[in-house]
Amino acid sequence: QKEVEQDPGPLSVPEGAIVSLNCTYSNSAFQYFMWYRQYSRKGPELLMYTYSSGNKEDGRFTAQVDKSSKYISLFIRDSQPSDSATYLCAMSEVNNNDMRFGAGTRLTVKP
Amino acid sequence: DAGITQSPRHKVTETGTPVTLRCHQTENHRYMYWYRQDPGHGLRLIHYSYGVKDTDKGEVSDGYSVSRSKTEDFLLTLESATSSQTSVYFCAISEISSEQYFGPGTRLTVT
Repeated sequence: QKEVEQDPGPLSVPEGAIVSLNCTYSNSAFQYFMWYRQYSRKGPELLMYTYSSGNKEDGRFTAQVDKSSKYISLFIRDSQPSDSATYLCAMSEVNNNDMRFGAGTRLTVKP
Repeated sequence: DAGITQSPRHKVTETGTPVTLRCHQTENHRYMYWYRQDPGHGLRLIHYSYGVKDTDKGEVSDGYSVSRSKTEDFLLTLESATSSQTSVYFCAISEISSEQYFGPGTRLTVT
């Protein structure tokens, strides 16, 4: 079993839909949780960064962490065709540089 | 791409040859990382550096070595390239280890 599990999709939604992306993990020591967006043939770009549990909102994006369930989510409101990309979750322990990534979910938002 | 360049961007090499990939940053960040990205596996850490001449192994370090003689440069060497090392290689930098910023990637094909 992988340390971080992420549904690879692909996920296709109409423009304006609310998108929910999720990851589960097995290591209870993870404290930092990140979401990256990766366009085709580009490097990942950091979207959201959360420490421990709770919610964080940035514009149309909301990140949620539920440590009791070992489950994290990224919500995208009013999705746009420009949101079409692969979304990667990532997480790490405190003072540990070995960040673990999910395999990524490919999202397509259709006009 | 956060002041990070990678060279070369594409390379085709033969099995058994040594290969060196270069990562250069202009952000003066303390930490530098090398990852590989493969379908179904997401990003996996190869090696990282926490300062000049200070490096450590990641999850998939076998067959790779690194060097960092200057703050701005981090080199990844495949000592004797194998077909299993065909991948996309990403360099990342960070000042806080949990907030990493990625370069554009190098596509390496070993024939």
